[in-house]
Amino acid sequence: ETGVTQSPTHLIKTRGQQVTLRCSSQSGHNTVSWYQQALGQGPQFIFQYYREEENGRGNFPPRFSGLQFPNYSSELNVNALELDDSALYLCASSLVVAQGASSYEQYFGPGTRLTVT
Amino acid sequence: QKEVEQNSGPLSVPEGAIASLNCTYSDRGSQSFFWYRQYSGKSPELIMSIYSNGDKEDGRFTAQLNKASQYVSLLIRDSQPSDSATYLCAVNRDDKIIFGKGTRLHILP
Repeated sequence: ETGVTQSPTHLIKTRGQQVTLRCSSQSGHNTVSWYQQALGQGPQFIFQYYREEENGRGNFPPRFSGLQFPNYSSELNVNALELDDSALYLCASSLVVAQGASSYEQYFGPGTRLTVT
Repeated sequence: QKEVEQNSGPLSVPEGAIASLNCTYSDRGSQSFFWYRQYSGKSPELIMSIYSNGDKEDGRFTAQLNKASQYVSLLIRDSQPSDSATYLCAVNRDDKIIFGKGTRLHILP
């Protein structure tokens, strides 16, 4: 167990709806990254939050947005859901001692399985 | 060229043998390299990290890094059926962790 928790575990939504996924980081960690993993693929980087600000973003449209709270927990929001958004959404936490520092390890939560119908 | 490339497999290895998993990456500026294990239906689990050229050993696992060749590998000695999983290679670039698609490893009893 990594100490990273995510909720909910599973979610079924209809195309066009909005969804919020939640993540609590491991104790002592200050950075949260979100990933989307489609079946048979590696995790794709969505964005990262460091000190409550977005710190890097992957190739995802603006309808994917997020927040980080003072306790370092985080939310991922997806608006106007599309069928292709069906995937496993992973949250990973890490301790970043300085922005731009490259040597840090990320630990994943159990994920949220989102199905869009 | 994809940023992180892995052979998707499946790679079948007899129990007790050495499993060798390979990964290449495109960004010469990458400094940190990771191997994750992912069981079906579960999230990735960090098993090795390596930052310098050469070998790093941890139990039955050895990670090898060659920055000149932009190549990272993972060796699993004395392979066990419980090692059957997908192994993901990941590379740090600009504060982002970029993953390969993973190699499916199957240990034959």
